[in-house]
Amino acid sequence: GAVVSQHPSWVICKSGTSVKIECRSLDFQATTMFWYRQFPKQSLMLMATSNEGSKATYEQGVEKDKFLINHASLTLSTLTVTSAHPEDSSFYICSARERHQNTEAFFGQGTRLTVV
Amino acid sequence: QKEVEQNSGPLSVPEGAIASLNCTYSDRGSQSFFWYRQYSGKSPELIMSIYSNGDKEDGRFTAQLNKASQYVSLLIRDSQPSDSATYLCAVRGTGFQKLVFGTGTRLLVSP
Repeated sequence: GAVVSQHPSWVICKSGTSVKIECRSLDFQATTMFWYRQFPKQSLMLMATSNEGSKATYEQGVEKDKFLINHASLTLSTLTVTSAHPEDSSFYICSARERHQNTEAFFGQGTRLTVV
Repeated sequence: QKEVEQNSGPLSVPEGAIASLNCTYSDRGSQSFFWYRQYSGKSPELIMSIYSNGDKEDGRFTAQLNKASQYVSLLIRDSQPSDSATYLCAVRGTGFQKLVFGTGTRLLVSP
């Protein structure tokens, strides 16, 4: 089946620094990628939708200047958490969708971010 | 009212029993419904998708959809300890790209 690779799987960073998370579709062209955040014992919350070659669409309440998303190719999207703070500590998950596919069936492994 | 609601559980069943997981949604125009399984610390994996009223079976899993009642369920037959996980219901409404997830139901299958 299709594979989405997310890297790193976990990262610890100091408050005020930036962290970049990569999401790659390994064997298909991901025309759309989605970035989610999940706090403990809570559901996945969509942060933004990213279409290749265009600007990401952010959900209400998500700061686009803090969470920078780049989807420069059909196989790679990145999420950069800028000036991270402890409240940004969470589980970040990407998913990728092929053209004409009805669901985000392919999730990356997730990235556990801890800001200290 | 939440867009997608699930009982958080935990739902405890003995090995070999049928586990029944339920989900209700608020958008009457929703067209696509999905069940994901998420193990602790891992990302979700798709188990079932269902788009029309009725039952859809895949191995030990059966998804049931009732659009009139805005209700979707997942039955797991012959439950195994390895089925212990959180099950997320996700719904896509009309005209939307995004999926809306419920908070998930934690299932515990005891040997």
